[in-house]
Amino acid sequence: DGGITQSPKYLFRKEGQNVTLSCEQNLNHDAMYWYRQDPGQGLRLIYYSQIVNDFQKGDIAEGYSVSREKKESFPLTVTSAQKNPTAFYLCASSIPPRREQENTEAFFGQGTRLTVV
Amino acid sequence: EDQVTQSPEALRLQEGESSSLNCSYTVSGLRGLFWYRQDPGKGPEFLFTLYSAGEEKEKERLKATLTKKESFLHITAPKPEDSATYLCAVQRKGYQKVTFGTGTKLQVIP
Repeated sequence: DGGITQSPKYLFRKEGQNVTLSCEQNLNHDAMYWYRQDPGQGLRLIYYSQIVNDFQKGDIAEGYSVSREKKESFPLTVTSAQKNPTAFYLCASSIPPRREQENTEAFFGQGTRLTVV
Repeated sequence: EDQVTQSPEALRLQEGESSSLNCSYTVSGLRGLFWYRQDPGKGPEFLFTLYSAGEEKEKERLKATLTKKESFLHITAPKPEDSATYLCAVQRKGYQKVTFGTGTKLQVIP
């Protein structure tokens, strides 16, 4: 059954701690993304990766880090430098837009809700 | 910079009362416009991709249309299970990044 798995579903972090959110996909997609969702705001892009061992910063990368060592996996680390980390984090994957009208819609995981305590 | 504005922010309908959600966009060279449905506490679920003005797509009670400046999501005879937040997003040609709107929260009352 193909899809994207995010874990854990809920995560609690103490001030000053780093935490890592897991994202695994078995859709054979090259591109993967991390978004942050806050109430009343659209999804904001943190990082994205178009291929293994390569990734780019999105609009709000400060305080976050990622790695892409395997095609299936794209973990996100929320570091202590992120001043307001409490949010709903969404991972997604897609095929890269190489040709016109190729289906490049993103498929999302079920999210991780991170709370700072 | 690409922009997506969705209206209304919230919409309350009686079961069977048809209506439309609006997505206005500004993008330099549209590659595709996406509609998603998101239930509370869940990830967005893909509904449609529209590529060019005049294009229409349908799925059950939902129909999405596209012009050069906006897209509409028409909901015909909605049911309570259609209650969700509907997100619109655009992708520029040659870019990986997708820009999302803030969504319309739809509530359908029995």
